[in-house]
Amino acid sequence: QKEVEQDPGPLSVPEGAIVSLNCTYSNSAFQYFMWYRQYSRKGPELLMYTYSSGNKEDGRFTAQVDKSSKYISLFIRDSQPSDSATYLCAMSAWGNKLVFGAGTILRVKS
Amino acid sequence: NAGVTQTPKFRVLKTGQSMTLLCAQDMNHEYMYWYRQDPGMGLRLIHYSVGEGTTAKGEVPDGYNVSRLKKQNFLLGLESAAPSQTSVYFCASSLDTGIRNQPQHFGDGTRLSIL
Repeated sequence: QKEVEQDPGPLSVPEGAIVSLNCTYSNSAFQYFMWYRQYSRKGPELLMYTYSSGNKEDGRFTAQVDKSSKYISLFIRDSQPSDSATYLCAMSAWGNKLVFGAGTILRVKS
Repeated sequence: NAGVTQTPKFRVLKTGQSMTLLCAQDMNHEYMYWYRQDPGMGLRLIHYSVGEGTTAKGEVPDGYNVSRLKKQNFLLGLESAAPSQTSVYFCASSLDTGIRNQPQHFGDGTRLSIL
């Protein structure tokens, strides 16, 4: 079993929809949670960075962490075609290396 | 501000050939990393460095060597390329961990095919 599980998709939604992307994990020592967006033929770029549990909002993006369930989510409101990309979750324990999910492909149709 | 720059962007090698991938960062980051990305596997850490002159093994180090002679550069070498090393290679850098783990900043990758 992988340490971090992420549905590969693809997830296809109409423009303006609310998108929910999720990851589950097994290591209870994880405290730092990140979401990266990766466009085709580009490197991952950091979208959201969260420490421990709770919510964090940045514009149309909201990251949620539920450590009791070992579950993290990324919500995208008013999705746009420019949001079409692969979304990678990543997490680590203090001082340890990042562990990445395999990524979810998102397609937003205009 | 260029961030993390990787060269070359594309390369085709024959089995048994050697090559070096170069990563340069201009953010004065202490930590640097090499990953490979394969379909369905996500990003897997090959080697990393916590400072100039230091290197350490990651999750999949076999068949690769690295060097960090200067703080801003991190080199990944393939001594004898194998078809299993066909992949997209990403370099990343971050500040030191300090109190809280710092996020990593990535280059745009090197696409390597080994025939």
